[in-house]
Amino acid sequence: AQSVTQPDIHITVSEGASLELRCNYSYGATPYLFWYVQSPGQGLQLLLKYFSGDTLVQGIKGFEAEFKRSQSSFNLRKPSVHWSDAAEYFCAVGTDKLIFGTGTRLQVFP
Amino acid sequence: KAGVTQTPRYLIKTRGQQVTLSCSPISGHRSVSWYQQTPGQGLQFLFEYFSETQRNKGNFPGRFSGRQFSNSRSEMNVSTLELGDSALYLCASSLGLVSYNEQFFGPGTRLTVL
Repeated sequence: AQSVTQPDIHITVSEGASLELRCNYSYGATPYLFWYVQSPGQGLQLLLKYFSGDTLVQGIKGFEAEFKRSQSSFNLRKPSVHWSDAAEYFCAVGTDKLIFGTGTRLQVFP
Repeated sequence: KAGVTQTPRYLIKTRGQQVTLSCSPISGHRSVSWYQQTPGQGLQFLFEYFSETQRNKGNFPGRFSGRQFSNSRSEMNVSTLELGDSALYLCASSLGLVSYNEQFFGPGTRLTVL
C-alpha cells in the first residue's frame, strides 16, 4: 500500500539556519511527489512538486527538494530559514488521490 | 483568479444532526476533492468528484457523502454526526484528475460536534 512517512514530528531551528525536512514514501511506480505548507488556521499551499525529470526541484519561498529513488525519499530543504517559515509541512504522494504524511511542525527562534 | 472558497468557515453542531459543507473551486477546475484533517488521524482523503461523477472514495462510513454540480461546485454532507467528526474539512480543486494535477486547497471548514 502507498504511504508517506515524515519521521520528524517537530523541528526547531534558529532564524538564518539551514533546514531539511525528511520524507520517505512507499509506492510501486514512479511517484508524483508534493510538499505543502499549512499556516495556523489556513488551508494547504503547494511549495513544490516532482513529476519527472530533474530530481532537484525548486519551489516557492526559496524551498527546494531532491527526489532520490534509491532511498525512496523526497526531502525538503531551505538554506536560510525566516521566522515566517514557521508552519506545518506536509509531504504527499499522488496516486489516484493525495496521500499525506503526518506532517512536521517547524518552529523558528529569532 | 479567485481561489477555492469554502462555506461556512466555522460550524458547531450537536451529535445526531447532519451538516452540509460547500466548496467552490477555481474557475475552470473540474475536479474537487475533500479531505478531513484531525490531530489524531492527520489528513485523510474523503472523495473526489470530476465532471459530476464520484471518481474515488476514501475509507469513510456511508454517513459521509458528496456531490458535484454542473458548475463544478461541490457539497459534502455528513449525517448522524458523531463527536469524532469534529475536524477541519478541506476542499481542493484541480484542472483534471487528482493524481498528476496540482491541487489548490481552500481555507477549510472547521466543524465542531458537541
